[in-house]
Amino acid sequence: GAVVSQHPSWVICKSGTSVKIECRSLDFQATTMFWYRQFPKQSLMLMATSNEGSKATYEQGVEKDKFLINHASLTLSTLTVTSAHPEDSSFYICSARDTPSGHSTDTQYFGPGTRLTVL
Amino acid sequence: RKEVEQDPGPFNVPEGATVAFNCTYSNSASQSFFWYRQDCRKEPKLLMSVYSSGNEDGRFTAQLNRASQYISLLIRDSKLSDSATYLCVVNTLNDYKLSFGAGTTVTVRA
Repeated sequence: GAVVSQHPSWVICKSGTSVKIECRSLDFQATTMFWYRQFPKQSLMLMATSNEGSKATYEQGVEKDKFLINHASLTLSTLTVTSAHPEDSSFYICSARDTPSGHSTDTQYFGPGTRLTVL
Repeated sequence: RKEVEQDPGPFNVPEGATVAFNCTYSNSASQSFFWYRQDCRKEPKLLMSVYSSGNEDGRFTAQLNRASQYISLLIRDSKLSDSATYLCVVNTLNDYKLSFGAGTTVTVRA
C-alpha cells in the first residue's frame, strides 16, 4: 500500500518553543492531508484538513493561529505547533488521501505519528 | 453523544478463541465504515472496509447493520499477533473526514 512518512517521530521541547512536524506521501500525490491528535487512551481527533494550494480547514475548537498548517506541494504538509505548552503534549498523526485513477473510492494512509512532549 | 462509540474492553481471550465486538454510530447519514487496527504507540492501519452485505477477510468478518446503526468485527481462531486496539471508523459527510471510536482493546493470551 501507499506510504506516508512523518518527521520527526518524536520530539521533546521546552515550553514556549515552536515545533514543526512534516508529513510526506512517498509514492503518491495527495491533494488532501489530515492532521489528527491522540491523547492517551482516547480516540484520534481530527484537527484540520490540509488542502494543497489553499488554506487549511480547522475543526471546531482548534486554534488556527496555534497550529499552523502549510500544504505547499502535493507530497508535503507541515504542522507547526507554535508556543507549545505541556498540554500540547500528544501523539500527532497525519493521513494522506490517495485517489488512484479508475477507482471510485479512495483510501487514507496514516503516517507513523509524532510524539510531542513539551516540558 | 459521541459520533462513534465502542466498548473499550479489554477482551482477554485464549489463542484459538473467537472474539466479537460492536461499534455504534450516531449519524444515520454515515456512508463509509472501516475497522482499523492500532498497536501501542503506533499509527492506525486499515484492517478492512465494511460493506452493507458484510465481508470477510481471512479470519476477520465485518458486518454492518444500518437499521440499528452498528458495525461489528469478529475474529476467528485468534492469534497472539491479533492483540491490538481495534478502531471503528466512520465517514459521515462524504468529505473524507473520518470519525474514530476510542477503540476496543483485544489481548490474546497463549
